[in-house]
Amino acid sequence: QKEVEQDPGPLSVPEGAIVSLNCTYSNSAFQYFMWYRQYSRKGPELLMYTYSSGNKEDGRFTAQVDKSSKYISLFIRDSQPSDSATYLCAMSAYAGGTSYGKLTFGQGTILTVHP
Amino acid sequence: GAGVSQSPRYKVAKRGQDVALRCDPISGHVSLFWYQQALGQGPEFLTYFQNEAQLDKSGLPSDRFFAERPEGSVSTLKIQRTQQEDSAVYLCASSSHLRGITNEKLFFGSGTQLSVL
Repeated sequence: QKEVEQDPGPLSVPEGAIVSLNCTYSNSAFQYFMWYRQYSRKGPELLMYTYSSGNKEDGRFTAQVDKSSKYISLFIRDSQPSDSATYLCAMSAYAGGTSYGKLTFGQGTILTVHP
Repeated sequence: GAGVSQSPRYKVAKRGQDVALRCDPISGHVSLFWYQQALGQGPEFLTYFQNEAQLDKSGLPSDRFFAERPEGSVSTLKIQRTQQEDSAVYLCASSSHLRGITNEKLFFGSGTQLSVL
């Protein structure tokens, strides 16, 4: 079983819809949680970064972390065709007071928003 | 530069050939990472450099994989005697943050797509 599980989709929604993307994880050492967006033939781009349990909002995007359930979510409001991409959750551990970019990624969810 | 640059963009190798993949990080970024992304999967960590020091190489899949960053800027990932299972996109990322400082943001390049025939 992988440390991070993410439903690969694909997910197809109409423009304007609310999109919900989710990941579960098994490693209790994970303390930093990120969502990346990856367009075709491009590298991942950081969308959201959270540390504590709860919600973090940035424009149309809301990241939610529930450490007790080991479950994270990304919500996209008023989805646009330009949001069509692969969305990757990523996590990193906090060990000995340090953290660096050794990320564990989910498989990625392919999202298509059609006009 | 404006972003992380990787070359070549595409590489086709015959099984058994050696390949070298190059990464130019964002100028001044001390941290550099290599990730491997298989088709339909998320990236997997390979190795981490802080300046010229390779601090973590726990993700390198075998001793055929070797990475270096001799002057603390450009990095090269070398794969010897390539196998078909090495076919993947190899991503390089850099960050301005040192180990021990949280909230680091990784900037990824577009990757090198390696196909081993």
